[in-house]
Amino acid sequence: ETGVTQTPRHLVMGMTNKKSLKCEQHLGHNAMYWYKQSAKKPLELMFVYSLEERVENNSVPSRFSPECPNSSHLFLHLHTLQPEDSALYLCASSGQGGGTEAFFGQGTRLTVV
Amino acid sequence: TQLLEQSPQFLSIQEGENLTVYCNSSSVFSSLQWYRQEPGEGPVLLVTVVTGGEVKKLKRLTFQFGDARKDSSLHITAAQPGDTGLYLCAGAYNTDKLIFGTGTRLQVFP
Repeated sequence: ETGVTQTPRHLVMGMTNKKSLKCEQHLGHNAMYWYKQSAKKPLELMFVYSLEERVENNSVPSRFSPECPNSSHLFLHLHTLQPEDSALYLCASSGQGGGTEAFFGQGTRLTVV
Repeated sequence: TQLLEQSPQFLSIQEGENLTVYCNSSSVFSSLQWYRQEPGEGPVLLVTVVTGGEVKKLKRLTFQFGDARKDSSLHITAAQPGDTGLYLCAGAYNTDKLIFGTGTRLQVFP
């Protein structure tokens, strides 16, 4: 399989639940990103990993915890989320840093109830 | 704070019409990208412009990077319903991240 794959595509969770989003890329890229897309807001960069090291954390609440075990996989661990965290969470990868083209997954539509 | 403003925010037109979407910033970017996002999907890269004043064409789409590398435009000629989607510009500068614009949601009616 090629490209950037995200699972699950849809997730509904309660505020006390713990869940994880998964992202996998088969493009040989060494940078991976998590973005949040909410209605009526620009795409927000959450985390950047370059060569498996976190290089960016845009003041994201600690209830979001990223993990990058290798250059092909990226996780976003979720716990005690709030309803306002409901959004489309997009994973992307690029060949080097954010200055090159980003390839996006299809996203996980998250609803917190 | 880096900010990319896109205008218009929403655009509804009839098939066959022409349109232009603008992307403006007070910051200088090393390159600028345009993406299109369809419902239920992630954004897909359309083009990257790098040189100030550069013009790139992709079939009916024409992209231009401003001379000062602070702004860009996307012009669509004879729009078709398949052009419907969210158009996003994204600027890259000397750190390793992309800043995305506010987006323009285009609806083309048959």
